Amino acid sequence: KAGVTQTPRYLIKTRGQQVTLSCSPISGHRSVSWYQQTPGQGLQFLFEYFSETQRNKGNFPGRFSGRQFSNSRSEMNVSTLELGDSALYLCASSLTTNWEQYFGPGTRLTVT
Amino acid sequence: EDQVTQSPEALRLQEGESSSLNCSYTVSGLRGLFWYRQDPGKGPEFLFTLYSAGEEKEKERLKATLTKKESFLHITAPKPEDSATYLCAVQTGNQFYFGTGTSLTVIP
Repeated sequence: KAGVTQTPRYLIKTRGQQVTLSCSPISGHRSVSWYQQTPGQGLQFLFEYFSETQRNKGNFPGRFSGRQFSNSRSEMNVSTLELGDSALYLCASSLTTNWEQYFGPGTRLTVT
Repeated sequence: EDQVTQSPEALRLQEGESSSLNCSYTVSGLRGLFWYRQDPGKGPEFLFTLYSAGEEKEKERLKATLTKKESFLHITAPKPEDSATYLCAVQTGNQFYFGTGTSLTVIP
């Protein structure tokens, strides 16, 4: 069974630009969550989508948004990038909400 | 405020030297506690889920236990390939809160 895939794996952007990250969950998984991982803060929850609806949201500014498609694939968008947005962005899928999560390899975003 | 704290931050062990990692939490309404292993440059890999105090789960050299306020990940006779960062996460409501992890190095 294929695992969670994320594209691109690495990205370099300039401050002020926007970026879109993509996540394909494990087949059959309907819940997709996004996390930001930085050395100082660890993993911080961004949001969760289930059946194309945002179910939960963490404490991040509105510049961070996401969506989920009917095939459960999800995208995350960050607008007006700031230097502090440099991080590893992880996507995790699960069968449903409140279930064990399986993570993708992440997208390493560097903002210069 | 919901909080998850892991200790120690870093741990160096000789191969074969058993030890335990700690995850303490202060959350309201724990629905589950999860342990993950993360290798450099990779996403976390799921290890265990624990749901209630007294529960234990084992996998190879790893054993996870849960009390009302903390969880332990016991590593028995570790090998160099066990070197990684071990993360715990608690689920409360519909959110997951992660600790900052314990970086384990096992020296041959």
